[in-house]
Amino acid sequence: ELQLVESGGGLVQPGGSLRLSCAASGFTFSRYWMHWVRQAPGKGLVWVSRINSDGSSTSYADSVKGRFTISRDNAKNTLYLQMNGLRAEDTALFYCARESTGYYVLDVWGQGTTVTVS
Amino acid sequence: EIVLTQSPGTLSLSPGERATLSCRASQTVNSNYLAWYQQKPGQAPRLLIYGASDRATGIPDRFSGSGSGTDFTLTLRRLEPEDFAVYFCQQYGSSPYTFGQGTKLEIK
Repeated sequence: ELQLVESGGGLVQPGGSLRLSCAASGFTFSRYWMHWVRQAPGKGLVWVSRINSDGSSTSYADSVKGRFTISRDNAKNTLYLQMNGLRAEDTALFYCARESTGYYVLDVWGQGTTVTVS
Repeated sequence: EIVLTQSPGTLSLSPGERATLSCRASQTVNSNYLAWYQQKPGQAPRLLIYGASDRATGIPDRFSGSGSGTDFTLTLRRLEPEDFAVYFCQQYGSSPYTFGQGTKLEIK
């Protein structure tokens, strides 16, 4: 079964740091580009970051550039999001998602991990 | 950045009716890389449509997508009780990938 399981969320003070993890199973993780998407309480979806299959290329939303770092460990089938300089407006449910090979769409999503900055 | 505007914000219909949801882009969506997702309370988004009109694996054929360029539509014919949810469009043709603000489909 295709599965993405996020962890690492929690309550952090403004200016603090957190590292989110996303454990993948049921597919060959190293072949897929991966993304982080967040959703503030009661709000819509906002794309955060993406990384290519071998980790050599990354991109970020302007709102997190310079504060967040996406990375991956293909040997551990795990995606990460290092978040520094957290702000109240970063409070959200963070999803990891797989980008479909060849179709570029986000076809598999985890259940999310909650980050609260307060 | 491409801004996606969905309408209406809320759509109230009854089971068995037809729903038409709109997504308008501020610029042309490259290669019609436009997706639709369904999200129910407490759940992750579920991919319905990609490439503007292709149904994802396991999606019933009562869901259909259409459109090109800047105007896209998601149509749900013969609404089932499980279809009442929030629907988001997303463009993935250019970075940053962007989402619409969502349309809530509620039971009338």
